[in-house]
Amino acid sequence: TQLLEQSPQFLSIQEGENLTVYCNSSSVFSSLQWYRQEPGEGPVLLVTVVTGGEVKKLKRLTFQFGDARKDSSLHITAAQPGDTGLYLCAGARTGNQFYFGTGTSLTVIP
Amino acid sequence: DTGVSQNPRHKITKRGQNVTFRCDPISEHNRLYWYRQTLGQGPEFLTYFQNEAQLEKSRLLSDRFSAERPKGSFSTLEIQRTEQGDSAMYLCASSLVGEVTEAFFGQGTRLTVV
Repeated sequence: TQLLEQSPQFLSIQEGENLTVYCNSSSVFSSLQWYRQEPGEGPVLLVTVVTGGEVKKLKRLTFQFGDARKDSSLHITAAQPGDTGLYLCAGARTGNQFYFGTGTSLTVIP
Repeated sequence: DTGVSQNPRHKITKRGQNVTFRCDPISEHNRLYWYRQTLGQGPEFLTYFQNEAQLEKSRLLSDRFSAERPKGSFSTLEIQRTEQGDSAMYLCASSLVGEVTEAFFGQGTRLTVV
């Protein structure tokens, strides 16, 4: 059973479009991380959100942590080909391991 | 470079052989994790250490897998009698335990069992 479910699983969009990726769980997390991974490489940490309702912006990427700290979203504005990759959310629970989501594979077509 | 380092990057082995991977974490990090990832999926937890103590091991992990972190610094992951189903990317991450814990990953070791 996957603790974190991501949707959509696959996303193919044209350059310039906006998109949102969702990360949902029935469990509460002390913090939640978003990673981007390119083929053959390890995941690279993008952001960590800690407080319920928190919103963080990283250039064209906006991350939100749900009020109850059970879910999160990643919104990309004006997607570019360089945004192509596998996006992963990971939840941390105090004293325990990180639980990864199922992943969202994004392709941005020039 | 003070990031997480994994060796080798790629390993091809015959079924039934043993393999060992190494992970060097970020130097001040006291927690070290091993994950396995298959193509297009999220990483699957294998085990983690805090300093030299192995605190948790996945129930999905067969007894052919063993990990060590003898001095609380680098770690090794050994797979005995490899099977084709062991083919995957093996990822190592490290973190510093604190109020907010963030994991930083190495580039992974790609294992192919033929």
